[in-house]
Amino acid sequence: QVQLQESGPGLVKPSETLSLTCTVSGGSISGYYWSWIRQPPGKGLEWIGYIYYNGNTNYNPSLKSPVTVSLDTSKNQFSLKLSSVTAADTAVYYCAREYGGAFYFDYWGPGRLVTVSS
Amino acid sequence: EVVLTQSPATLSLSPGERATLSCKASQSITTYLAWYQQKPGQAPRLLIYDASNRAIGIPARFSGSGSGTDFTLTISSLEPEDFAVYYCQQRRNWQYTFGQGTKLEIK
Repeated sequence: QVQLQESGPGLVKPSETLSLTCTVSGGSISGYYWSWIRQPPGKGLEWIGYIYYNGNTNYNPSLKSPVTVSLDTSKNQFSLKLSSVTAADTAVYYCAREYGGAFYFDYWGPGRLVTVSS
Repeated sequence: EVVLTQSPATLSLSPGERATLSCKASQSITTYLAWYQQKPGQAPRLLIYDASNRAIGIPARFSGSGSGTDFTLTISSLEPEDFAVYYCQQRRNWQYTFGQGTKLEIK
């Protein structure tokens, strides 16, 4: 059974960089697209970006903060960096697997609340 | 960007009733539509993919239909555990968007 788990700081100061890691267990990173999705408190879901197992990336162009998603296949992990964050980046951040490039997300992590505040 | 508009925003029904949730896309997405259920404090759970296929382990009371721009999620007879928020989601030109959600609450 594939499991995903987000980890990283729960509090980030404005203008700094938000960094999260997703660890994948029970399955391989190979062959799949791996996404980050966020949900501000009480609001809906927003896709941030993905990385394919070969390192190709794709991001949501509507995001105001610069985004980088990277991969560490040796650790079965992928990571998110969001730069120059503001209070608007406060959200629960989920990592998720896209099934075989088929557009939908079949496995999700439980989510990590990240608050941007001084 | 494809905008997904869900209606109604809130649906108040009783257990045993039939629920019909709508998702309309701003342009055609053929059948590249998925539905998710989200309960408080939990991650979304995949219910339906390709507009009408149930994900593994999803009860038969959940069904999806539609193509192009108009889609429907139907729950044939509501169970107490079905009261949650439901989101639709699409991918077009490798950009993903979600609807704003429909909250299904107990009447």
